[in-house]
Amino acid sequence: RKEVEQDPGPFNVPEGATVAFNCTYSNSASQSFFWYRQDCRKEPKLLMSVYSSGNEDGRFTAQLNRASQYISLLIRDSKLSDSATYLCVVCYNTDKLIFGTGTRLQVFP
Amino acid sequence: DTEVTQTPKHLVMGMTNKKSLKCEQHMGHRAMYWYKQKAKKPPELMFVYSYEKLSINESVPSRFSPECPNSSLLNLHLHALQPEDSALYLCASSQGGFAPQHFGDGTRLSIL
Repeated sequence: RKEVEQDPGPFNVPEGATVAFNCTYSNSASQSFFWYRQDCRKEPKLLMSVYSSGNEDGRFTAQLNRASQYISLLIRDSKLSDSATYLCVVCYNTDKLIFGTGTRLQVFP
Repeated sequence: DTEVTQTPKHLVMGMTNKKSLKCEQHMGHRAMYWYKQKAKKPPELMFVYSYEKLSINESVPSRFSPECPNSSLLNLHLHALQPEDSALYLCASSQGGFAPQHFGDGTRLSIL
């Protein structure tokens, strides 16, 4: 079983749609959780950290369920510029990020 | 704009060449990292420096040699690379521990 699992997609959605990505992780000792965004041939960029209480940043909402070892990302009112690969990332050892394989999102006009 | 800068942006080298990748951060972070990323794959950790000391080496071949001259700089020395080493090499920095990491825009390396 992979340490961090994501649906690779692609998710093809129209502008204005709401889309949700899910991610599961295998190590219950995981301490921190993140969503990164990566555009084609660019570096990963931190989108947001994920907390058990849930957190929101504009159109983006992230949620963590420690009991189910499950992380989610919700994007509301999708924009063309949201098209990218979204990486679910977990950390259970100091200084070691564990990346999921990423979920590809394509927003069309 | 990224706060972690990497040079060069692109590098083409032969298998007998020696070259170096450079990374610089000015965020006062105590940890710096090298990753390798192949197309359509997530980044793979290579090395971690914490307080300028090598703390993690993920069994990377010796043809890759990291160096941390000071808390802001990280180098990756390359020698006798193989074609399969062609990839995007990413540098990152963080406050360490379980903090998020911030990536530079990478060096795209091609081995002929």
